[in-house]
Amino acid sequence: QQQVKQSPQSLIVQKGGISIINCAYENTAFDYFPWYQQFPGKGPALLIAIRPDVSEKKEGRFTISFNKSAKQFSLHIMDSQPGDSATYFCAASKGSSASKIIFGSGTRLSIRP
Amino acid sequence: DAGITQSPRHKVTETGTPVTLRCHQTENHRYMYWYRQDPGHGLRLIHYSYGVKDTDKGEVSDGYSVSRSKTEDFLLTLESATSSQTSVYFCAISVTKGGAGTGELFFGEGSRLTVL
Repeated sequence: QQQVKQSPQSLIVQKGGISIINCAYENTAFDYFPWYQQFPGKGPALLIAIRPDVSEKKEGRFTISFNKSAKQFSLHIMDSQPGDSATYFCAASKGSSASKIIFGSGTRLSIRP
Repeated sequence: DAGITQSPRHKVTETGTPVTLRCHQTENHRYMYWYRQDPGHGLRLIHYSYGVKDTDKGEVSDGYSVSRSKTEDFLLTLESATSSQTSVYFCAISVTKGGAGTGELFFGEGSRLTVL
């Protein structure tokens, strides 16, 4: 019940296309859903986050869609660029305590020029 | 980058030897974390600290110990390294606002450990 399941494991998208990464959770007590972006040789960095009181959050080309009833959330990257090539992790936690954050297994995204 | 420095960045060691990884932060953050990153497993919490000499176990703490004698340093020790501890280790801090956690983690650049 503590797991966050992420798919796909890897993804190749053409430049200008839409990249979509999906995550599912079981614990209905989760109330904070961040996405982290990691470039090779670097640590992950927070990209965007959502709380379950909204169904969508957009920041530039990055959008989180949240479906509370299905216990699913997804990251959409519009107009994908080669610079977006990275590993993306979804996560979930109850409350704002970082020690309670559960990460998904990661998606390696490659954008083809 | 939240002023986090990890050392060493790369280490190769033999099974059974002790290893200590160091995380140093310059911004006086209270909360510090050690994660390991493995393919197919994402990031898993090993131990965390909520102040000097205050630490607690995470999801995958077996075989690891930590110490925090100063606010700025959080040490992760493998008393007797095993091949299953080959991984990339990340230190992180979390930021608080008004005493409450924001949920956001800031990570160091990682320490790649290979146990032969």
